[in-house]
Amino acid sequence: AQKVTQAQTEISVVEKEDVTLDCVYETRDTTYYLFWYKQPPSGELVFLIRRNSFDEQNEISGRYSWNFQKSTSSFNFTITASQVVDSAVYFCALSENTGNQFYFGTGTSLTVIP
Amino acid sequence: DTAVSQTPKYLVTQMGNDKSIKCEQNLGHDTMYWYKQDSKKFLKIMFSYNNKELIINETVPNRFSPKSPDKAHLNLHINSLELGDSAVYFCASRFSGGSETQYFGPGTRLLVL
Repeated sequence: AQKVTQAQTEISVVEKEDVTLDCVYETRDTTYYLFWYKQPPSGELVFLIRRNSFDEQNEISGRYSWNFQKSTSSFNFTITASQVVDSAVYFCALSENTGNQFYFGTGTSLTVIP
Repeated sequence: DTAVSQTPKYLVTQMGNDKSIKCEQNLGHDTMYWYKQDSKKFLKIMFSYNNKELIINETVPNRFSPKSPDKAHLNLHINSLELGDSAVYFCASRFSGGSETQYFGPGTRLLVL
């Protein structure tokens, strides 16, 4: 079974629109960690955020915000006033407290149209 | 200042050849990984080493052999390359423990002709 599901394969928005990328995870651990990574067209994988399972506070960093809801096992990512530079593939990932494996979702490809 | 580096960045080779990709990290991490990213952008874990010891070995053809000479290096050797091996290979590292963030190298784009 997929531990991290990103149901949106591709999203296109017009510049300045807000967009939310969904991430749903599955784990039996009570302690776990969630991550988002960005992969721009240049190809590198850039770490964006880490969130632990005990901290459900939403996080905001500039135009980026993350909504963690344990009740729905979701860790969604919103970009406000999107820009062309936000065009990338975004990956959500889960790391459980035990073990060394990262579980990546299949990624959401975001295209921001000027 | 490069945290996780990989060489080469691009690799074009013929079917049947043997090739190696090298990875080095200067972050002091004790755990390193190899991932394969196919054309659909799926990131598939291949191997992981912790302090030079193999701890994750996913279903990968035995033509792929990782080697970790020390905890800062993790190399990937591929024998008898096939067309299906064409992909981007990413190295990553982190401190062991579920809370730790993985940091990725720039990737090696392998094209098998």
